Amino acid sequence: EAGVTQFPSHSVIEKGQTVTLRCDPISGHDNLYWYRRVMGKEIKFLLHFVKESKQDESGMPNNRFLAERTGGTYSTLKVQPAELEDSGVYFCASSQRAVDTGELFFGEGSRLTVL
Amino acid sequence: EDQVTQSPEALRLQEGESSSLNCSYTVSGLRGLFWYRQDPGKGPEFLFTLYSAGEEKEKERLKATLTKKESFLHITAPKPEDSATYLCAVVPTGANSKLTFGKGITLSVRP
Repeated sequence: EAGVTQFPSHSVIEKGQTVTLRCDPISGHDNLYWYRRVMGKEIKFLLHFVKESKQDESGMPNNRFLAERTGGTYSTLKVQPAELEDSGVYFCASSQRAVDTGELFFGEGSRLTVL
Repeated sequence: EDQVTQSPEALRLQEGESSSLNCSYTVSGLRGLFWYRQDPGKGPEFLFTLYSAGEEKEKERLKATLTKKESFLHITAPKPEDSATYLCAVVPTGANSKLTFGKGITLSVRP
């Protein structure tokens, strides 16, 4: 069974440019999460989709970040325009069961470097 | 504010030398506490879920325990392949779907 797939694995962009990160969850997983780890800090929650609906987007830093989940399948996270502080590793996770079980399956992450 | 603190930041062990990793948490109420393992360049991998004080879970050389204020991940007779970063996370009551993570503990096991 394929795991959670993220693309690109690494992106280097200039400040002010736009980047779109993509996540393909495990097939059949209705729950999809985005998390981010900034260097030296802990992994932090960004948002949660249930199918195509945003269940909780309380962790999104500001309106430069836009997440979508088309048809309840793959998801994209767009950063526009990117700032230096957006650098970090963006993780996507999916699950079939509720978050209370902790059984989230994480992708390998997309490393974003903003110069 | 909900907080998770892990200690030590890094731990070096000799193969076979047992030890414990600590996770202290401050939350208004606990729905669940989780341990993950993360290898370099990979995403976190789920290990255990603990729900209430006194609960224990085991898997191979790892055993996780929970009290009202902290959790321990005990590693018995570790092997070099146990080297990884171990992350602790909680879901507080009323937190909707958000996991709060600690910074992790980097474990190195020398042969």
